Amino acid sequence: QKEVEQDPGPLSVPEGAIVSLNCTYSNSAFQYFMWYRQYSRKGPELLMYTYSSGNKEDGRFTAQVDKSSKYISLFIRDSQPSDSATYLCAMTYGGATNKLIFGTGTLLAVQP
Amino acid sequence: GAGVSQSPSNKVTEKGKDVELRCDPISGHTALYWYRQSLGQGLEFLIYFQGNSAPDKSGLPSDRFSAERTGGSVSTLTIQRTQQEDSAVYLCASSSHRGASRPETQYFGPGTRLLVL
Repeated sequence: QKEVEQDPGPLSVPEGAIVSLNCTYSNSAFQYFMWYRQYSRKGPELLMYTYSSGNKEDGRFTAQVDKSSKYISLFIRDSQPSDSATYLCAMTYGGATNKLIFGTGTLLAVQP
Repeated sequence: GAGVSQSPSNKVTEKGKDVELRCDPISGHTALYWYRQSLGQGLEFLIYFQGNSAPDKSGLPSDRFSAERTGGSVSTLTIQRTQQEDSAVYLCASSSHRGASRPETQYFGPGTRLLVL
């Protein structure tokens, strides 16, 4: 079983829809949680970075962490065609190395 | 400023040949990471550098894989005697992380797409 599970999709939604992306993890030692966005043939770029359980909002994006359930979510409001990309959850224990453990990514297509 | 750059963008090689992949991190970033992205596998950690030292090599899949970093800057990932299962996108990331407390953001390069025939 992978340490981080993520539904690969693909997920197709109409423009303006609210998108919900999710990951579950098995190791309670993870302390820091990120969402990266990756456009086709590009490197991942950081969207959201959270530490504690709860919600963090940045514009149309909200990241949610529930450590008790080992579950993280990313919500995208008023989705745009430019949001079409692969969304990767990532997490780390922190500490000396800070290596990231990634989910497999969810491919999102926002239809105009 | 300039981001992380990687070269070549694409590499096609024959099974059994050696390949070298290069990463130029963001200037001043002491931490450098290599990851591999395969279809259906997501990104997998390979190796972490802090300066020129590699305190975590736990993700290297076999002894055919090695990496070095010189001058606290450029890093090279070498794959010897390539196999078809080495075909993947190899991504490099850098950060200002210095090994304690809250992790710093990792900034990724565009990757090198390796195809082993």
